[in-house]
Amino acid sequence: AQSVTQLDSQVPVFEEAPVELRCNYSSSVSVYLFWYVQYPNQGLQLLLKYLSGSTLVKGINGFEAEFNKSQTSFHLRKPSVHISDTAEYFCAITNNFNKFYFGSGTKLNVKP
Amino acid sequence: DVKVTQSSRYLVKRTGEKVFLECVQDMDHENMFWYRQDPGLGLRLIYFSYDVKMKEKGDIPEGYSVSREKKERFSLILESASTNQTSMYLCASSFGTLQSGELFFGEGSRLTVL
Repeated sequence: AQSVTQLDSQVPVFEEAPVELRCNYSSSVSVYLFWYVQYPNQGLQLLLKYLSGSTLVKGINGFEAEFNKSQTSFHLRKPSVHISDTAEYFCAITNNFNKFYFGSGTKLNVKP
Repeated sequence: DVKVTQSSRYLVKRTGEKVFLECVQDMDHENMFWYRQDPGLGLRLIYFSYDVKMKEKGDIPEGYSVSREKKERFSLILESASTNQTSMYLCASSFGTLQSGELFFGEGSRLTVL
């Protein structure tokens, strides 16, 4: 069985501050990892993905994430957030691209 | 750009009504998915389809059925809507391969069952 845990349901942060959104997963097989972002009243769009290779992956809008296999984590980071980053962020895993498992989401609230 | 279009953004139905949610993708994707999104629960897979007329149950298929008669179209059917099916429904599609396996989502259909 596979599962994803996003421990922080909400993360408030001031504009231009750094942020880290945490994602831990559980799986008995190797997985591929993803971060998606959902802006209000919209569907989800891909931020970044880890398939293989370098464990540090860079995505759109200045976000990056690091895959840590020993800690089964895939935390999302941004060194300086903007108001426009206010959204809900979802971590997801899959081992076969048929079934994806999503975390419960983290709402990032960027304050001026 | 990949486009996944869901036919209705907002629907209000009454208990017991039959509800159809339609999804169309324009990228010739093999895989199509229906998810349900509820606050604090993330996205839960209802059904997915890997080919025309092929389908597999996801984690919460009870009360739902699906239809895929054409490659580009995947429909979610609520045979008899109930209030506990009030939710946001998200359709997604993908090629399902390592090179291009990520999901592309529609904008969602928010269903309210009274």
